[in-house]
Amino acid sequence: DIQMTQSPSSLSASVGDRVTISCRASQSIGTSLSWYRQKPGKAPNLLIYAASTLPIGAPSGFSGSGSGTNFTLTIRGLQPEDFAVYFCQQSHTFPHTFGGGTKVEIK
Amino acid sequence: ELQLVESGGGLVQPGGSLRLSCATSGFTFSSFWMTWVRQAPGKGLEWVASIKRDGSEKHYLDSVKGRFTISRDNAQNSVFLQLNSLRVEDTAVYYCAREGGWYLGGDFYFGMDVWGQGTTVTVSS
Repeated sequence: DIQMTQSPSSLSASVGDRVTISCRASQSIGTSLSWYRQKPGKAPNLLIYAASTLPIGAPSGFSGSGSGTNFTLTIRGLQPEDFAVYFCQQSHTFPHTFGGGTKVEIK
Repeated sequence: ELQLVESGGGLVQPGGSLRLSCATSGFTFSSFWMTWVRQAPGKGLEWVASIKRDGSEKHYLDSVKGRFTISRDNAQNSVFLQLNSLRVEDTAVYYCAREGGWYLGGDFYFGMDVWGQGTTVTVSS
């Protein structure tokens, strides 16, 4: 199975900050990577698919980059609703494994 | 309005069974892969199983193979997850999700763009 490793596991930031989260795959997955945000007690919601594409209706301020084994999610200008947990997921090969998550907390 | 509504969770003893259902509305169900994802208390997300549009392909997490079965009824716009031989470690919130499915440059990309609210499965004696 492909292992997905996120870093950091948690970070503290302020409203308006630019934040970067990394995700590394244990083998090349092309650009078959999605990012999700999960607010407390809620289902996740899709932010990015195909490594860098925003789905219709996705919240603004998010961008994704990377290919192969290294990927990045960037949040430009943290909003109060962005304090949440973020997950990456590969969909190159079944099982479609998730990273362990990155918790973004208020500084 | 796009909607996924899970049901069927509950408290069950180890070795027991449950059948989770996910009723959908607001989109052409038969055009989309569907997936179940679970989240143990205080833990991250874990992909469990996916089923192709016409049910011809099914994929499972290794730890649930032979115990869980994913199925769908395109006439009822519903996807199901049969959970047998349940273990304590299967305790989790189970979400169903629609795989958006996009073609970019000739390649197909997954991404779960619509989620249900989740149903809780507790396995305990």
